[in-house]
Amino acid sequence: KNQVEQSPQSLIILEGKNCTLQCNYTVSPFSNLRWYKQDTGRGPVSLTIMTFSENTKSNGRYTATLDADTKQSSLHITASQLSDSASYICVVSARAGGSYIPTFGRGTSLIVHP
Amino acid sequence: KAGVTQTPRYLIKTRGQQVTLSCSPISGHRSVSWYQQTPGQGLQFLFEYFSETQRNKGNFPGRFSGRQFSNSRSEMNVSTLELGDSALYLCASSLRLEGGTEAFFGQGTRLTVV
Repeated sequence: KNQVEQSPQSLIILEGKNCTLQCNYTVSPFSNLRWYKQDTGRGPVSLTIMTFSENTKSNGRYTATLDADTKQSSLHITASQLSDSASYICVVSARAGGSYIPTFGRGTSLIVHP
Repeated sequence: KAGVTQTPRYLIKTRGQQVTLSCSPISGHRSVSWYQQTPGQGLQFLFEYFSETQRNKGNFPGRFSGRQFSNSRSEMNVSTLELGDSALYLCASSLRLEGGTEAFFGQGTRLTVV
């Protein structure tokens, strides 16, 4: 059964600090891994997309890494801002014939305090 | 460029009723996917449509159905509503099948079943 586990479940940090969120998956056959940011009451917004051959992808202060051998990914947030307070969701898609089946993690709830 | 539009934003229905939700994708996008988000289960994939054909289906009962029109707009229908169907329903559009390219989410429809 395809699964995506995220840790920690929640995280509180001070503004300006860095943090790293983890995503472990057992999805096969692997197609790609995405990180989304979801603000309360809004739809998710894509941060990064990585395929099997990519091991790092950056989007501003967000840097995602992928280790396809250990089936782990991390999302590193640098110099956090209050606006980073949100839920961060890891999604891993499996290739199924000509289409894709996504499996979602439960997300990490990040709170950034001033 | 207009984003993904979901209507209505909020809906209250009674158990046993049926409901239809609408999603207008970004112009030019041919893939529309639907998701259910609840506090207990997180985000779960419902189905994906591409060029009016259902390409993928998640693990939901047959009460959940959808369709896509020639202009790529999509609707999902839930019949015989149950209390457990209360959730945020999100749709996402993408140029190609969702797993292969970036997906853009709408704001969601908050369905409450009483």
